[in-house]
Amino acid sequence: DVKVTQSSRYLVKRTGEKVFLECVQDMDHENMFWYRQDPGLGLRLIYFSYDVKMKEKGDIPEGYSVSREKKERFSLILESASTNQTSMYLCASRVANQYEQYFGPGTRLTVT
Amino acid sequence: AQTVTQSQPEMSVQEAETVTLSCTYDTSESDYYLFWYKQPPSRQMILVIRQEAYKQQNATENRFSVNFQKAAKSFSLKISDSQLGDAAMYFCAYETNSGYALNFGKGTSLLVTP
Repeated sequence: DVKVTQSSRYLVKRTGEKVFLECVQDMDHENMFWYRQDPGLGLRLIYFSYDVKMKEKGDIPEGYSVSREKKERFSLILESASTNQTSMYLCASRVANQYEQYFGPGTRLTVT
Repeated sequence: AQTVTQSQPEMSVQEAETVTLSCTYDTSESDYYLFWYKQPPSRQMILVIRQEAYKQQNATENRFSVNFQKAAKSFSLKISDSQLGDAAMYFCAYETNSGYALNFGKGTSLLVTP
């Protein structure tokens, strides 16, 4: 079974803090994704990595950065958290050139 | 812009009954894949069913089937013999060959009543 794990299920941070969200997959997948999920808006792509050290901006990259130093790990970084970044963050991975994505359980981030 | 529209924010179905969730999408590409994902409360998103746009035959997976109308850009999900465990948020999505990620709809929340 493919397993995608995220470092925290719930996280509370203060405005201005630097926040790291970690995602790890155990199936040697090349592609990894970070989505943001908000009620009434569905899932929106923040960043995509098609391989180690490779990244592409998604639809809403502003205020976020990513790091992929190892194939199994994809980190989402909020350099200076703001209240409008309060959301559910979902990580996903897949084999390159395959279409099915495997999702992690999500991290519900609250910025106060 | 490429978009996915799920016009039903919420749906309700009785156990053992059939329900259809609607989805329309908009892409100028001819080659793409369509998906329905299920997100149960507080649980991980999982793939329910997938349809290749080049295939005319509608995909089926046990109690789940789709009605794919390529010309109308419509991709509805039918759930037969609904079970309590089907209660979840359902997302329609597609990805094109030229793209690199899924385009999601806003989701339909399905309630299953005993």
